Amino acid sequence: GNSVTQMEGPVTLSEEAFLTINCTYTATGYPSLFWYVQYPGEGLQLLLKATKADDKGSNKGFEATYRKETTSFHLEKGSVQVSDSAVYFCALITGAGSYQLTFGKGTKLSVIP
Amino acid sequence: GAVVSQHPSRVICKSGTSVKIECRSLDFQATTMFWYRQFPKKSLMLMATSNEGSKATYEQGVEKDKFLINHASLTLSTLTVTSAHPEDSSFYICSARTSGIAVDNEQFFGPGTRLTVL
Repeated sequence: GNSVTQMEGPVTLSEEAFLTINCTYTATGYPSLFWYVQYPGEGLQLLLKATKADDKGSNKGFEATYRKETTSFHLEKGSVQVSDSAVYFCALITGAGSYQLTFGKGTKLSVIP
Repeated sequence: GAVVSQHPSRVICKSGTSVKIECRSLDFQATTMFWYRQFPKKSLMLMATSNEGSKATYEQGVEKDKFLINHASLTLSTLTVTSAHPEDSSFYICSARTSGIAVDNEQFFGPGTRLTVL
């Protein structure tokens, strides 16, 4: 079956620090990969996605590259801000008619001034 | 982006009662809606997939008679927790997917409903 493994938090960084949240996956077929973000008290929002190998998704300064050879989709940001404090979820979808997302456990990021 | 609402945002009920949670797509038609349960420090667990006008498809281990799902229109799905017990206390999240066959069609998530059963 499909599964997503991401580094467990919480992660605490100072403002302007470099962020990496690791994500690896196992899947049948060729999945599309996603990062979702959940701000406190809110629902999940799509942060970025990549649909095929070597694609790079990017948004709001965050980036992640679909690495088929290492089955990874690590999230990075060069300089985090306090407003980036949230829980980040890595996810995949393989479709096959079901369109079901498989999520990692989430990584809580806290950015301190 | 598209907006999905959930109501109520929080609910506290007594053990043995039933609670209904609504999920609405506000500005788009959702042929498919998903219901998730989120445990503390754990991922979202898919409970069921709901297609408009047909019976929901439940994931293994989810009691369909306890978690009743109705997707009566293209903009509304409801989850009813019947005869709630304290172990049903959790954060319930819905998502809605726009129509189309693209595998990566975006799913839009509601803000969640915190259920506490006393």
